[in-house]
Amino acid sequence: GAVVSQHPSRVICKSGTSVKIECRSLDFQATTMFWYRQFPKQSLMLMATSNEGSKATYEQGVEKDKFLINHASLTLSTLTVTSAHPEDSSFYICSARESVLAGETQYFGPGTRLLVL
Amino acid sequence: AQTVTQSQPEMSVQEAETVTLSCTYDTSESDYYLFWYKQPPSRQMILVIRQEAYKQQNATENRFSVNFQKAAKSFSLKISDSQLGDAAMYFCAYRRDSGNTPLVFGKGTRLSVIA
Repeated sequence: GAVVSQHPSRVICKSGTSVKIECRSLDFQATTMFWYRQFPKQSLMLMATSNEGSKATYEQGVEKDKFLINHASLTLSTLTVTSAHPEDSSFYICSARESVLAGETQYFGPGTRLLVL
Repeated sequence: AQTVTQSQPEMSVQEAETVTLSCTYDTSESDYYLFWYKQPPSRQMILVIRQEAYKQQNATENRFSVNFQKAAKSFSLKISDSQLGDAAMYFCAYRRDSGNTPLVFGKGTRLSVIA
């Protein structure tokens, strides 16, 4: 299957700083990328959907000014957590799909563990 | 809105035995896709199997098969000849057949495999 990478795999930062997480599709062009958040022992919660070259669509309750998403190319999307606070500590997972066809398989990155002190 | 329900938070199975994980979903759509994903301790999400709603035949991938009951909106996963490496969280997911829609996940079932 296709490969999606994420960087960094884990990050520790101080409260008030910003953290950028990169998501790359390594062997395909990702028309659409999704960002999820997962708390311990819980399911994946969709944060936003991004299409290359356009603004991301955020789910209800997700602050777009806090979680900045940029999908500048067909192989790269970034999630920036601005002014991070301890409650932003979580596991963030990106996912990519090659086309807008609903049947297209969605591939997942390995996730990024964020700890805000 | 579509919802996916996994009623079994935890399941266990003896090695080499068979286990079935349950999943039901709610939708008014007629065309959609269903998936089972596995999340081992590494937390990497791995696609196990997928089913197109328009297909009557149940999907099969080696030791993994599904029982898709469209009328009952049920999509269970059967794991045969369970192996220690099957131990993981299993998530059932739904996506409607309409453009750029995201996956909707159930809450997951944690499967333990007993040697």
